[in-house]
Order: sequence, then C-alpha cells, then structure tokens
Amino acid sequence: SQKIEQNSEALNIQEGKTATLTCNYTNYSPAYLQWYRQDPGRGPVFLLLIRENEKEKRKERLKVTFDTTLKQSLFHITASQPADSATYLCALDNTGTASKLTFGTGTRLQVTL
Amino acid sequence: NAGVTQTPKFQVLKTGQSMTLQCAQDMNHNSMYWYRQDPGMGLRLIYYSASEGTTDKGEVPNGYNVSRLNKREFSLRLESAAPSQTSVYFCASSEGLAGGHFGPGTRLTVL
Repeated sequence: SQKIEQNSEALNIQEGKTATLTCNYTNYSPAYLQWYRQDPGRGPVFLLLIRENEKEKRKERLKVTFDTTLKQSLFHITASQPADSATYLCALDNTGTASKLTFGTGTRLQVTL
Repeated sequence: NAGVTQTPKFQVLKTGQSMTLQCAQDMNHNSMYWYRQDPGMGLRLIYYSASEGTTDKGEVPNGYNVSRLNKREFSLRLESAAPSQTSVYFCASSEGLAGGHFGPGTRLTVL
C-alpha cells in the first residue's frame, strides 16, 4: 500500500543550528513533492515544491532535496530560529499534476534559545 | 486579498444533524479541495474540484457531498453527521505548481 512517513517524534534543536526533517514514501512515483508549515490552530502554509528531476531546491534559509531512488525528501532549515517552531508536512502527488496531494502526518520542530 | 475563507470556524452537531461548510477563494484558482485532519492521521482528501463544474472523490468521501457553486465557492455537506466525522476541516485552492492555499479550518464536533 502507499505510505508517506515522517518522524512522528518532535525534533528539538538549538537556535542557530540546522534542522533536518525527513519524508520517506513507498509505492508512489511522484512527479512533485511539496513541503508545508502548519502552526497550531491554523491551516498549512505552502513552502516549497520540488520536481522529480530536481535534486535540490532552495528558498532563503530553506533547502529541500528529493531522491527518487531512495524515495526520500529531506527538508533543511539553516540558522534555525524560535519562530521556525511548527509542524512541517510533506505532501506528494501521484497524478503528475501537483494538485491531488497526499500528506504525511508531519514532524513537529521545536527551536529553543 | 482574503485568500481562502471558511465558515463557520466552530460547529457542534448532534448525531444525525446536517450542515454545510462553506469555502470561498478570491485568487481565481481553478482547483479547490476539502481535507479533514485528525490526530495521528494527517490531512486526508475528502473531495476535490479540478475546475468549475467538476468534482471528484478523494481518499475519504463517504458521508460527504460537495458542490462547486462557481469558480470561487466550494461547499462540503454532511447529510447525517456521525461522531466519526468529528475533525478539523480545511478547504484549499491551487493553481498549477504554485502550491496549495489553505483556509483557517472549521472545527467540527459531532456528539
């Protein structure tokens, strides 16, 4: 069966360090993979989209990698700040349209001073 | 630009009651979606609409109906609410590869 796995345990990291979150998937051949941020009581906010033929994508302090051989995406936040504390969701689409998304359960990131 | 708006924000229903969740977007997006989010389950797609006049089932459509009233509005109806439908409901819209825009959510409790 199709599965998207994100570490359900919270990731605690010190301010200034690089946070790395993992998204693994099985039985998907996604053309696109997306990352979202969700704060408590709010809807997810889109961060980055990476295509299957892209190895890496960057946006300010964020970096996403996409390894279709390992069936894994890594999401990095460099120079972490307490304001980065949130739950981060990966989502992928099996239809090639980047629209009909299936979401992972998310990993909670806590950045402390 | 309000983005995606949802009403109501909170709702409590008794088993068997019906209600409609409203969603509107002002970004001229073609695609709209309804998700539910439950603890430990992540976001699950209930229904989506690729364009005005079309709707399609997602992963968990049972017990729900939708209407794409026009390009802006996409409503979700619970005909006979059940406790298993207690959840947070999110509406979203998207266009191309720009990522999804989510509304603030509706917190529904069915007693």
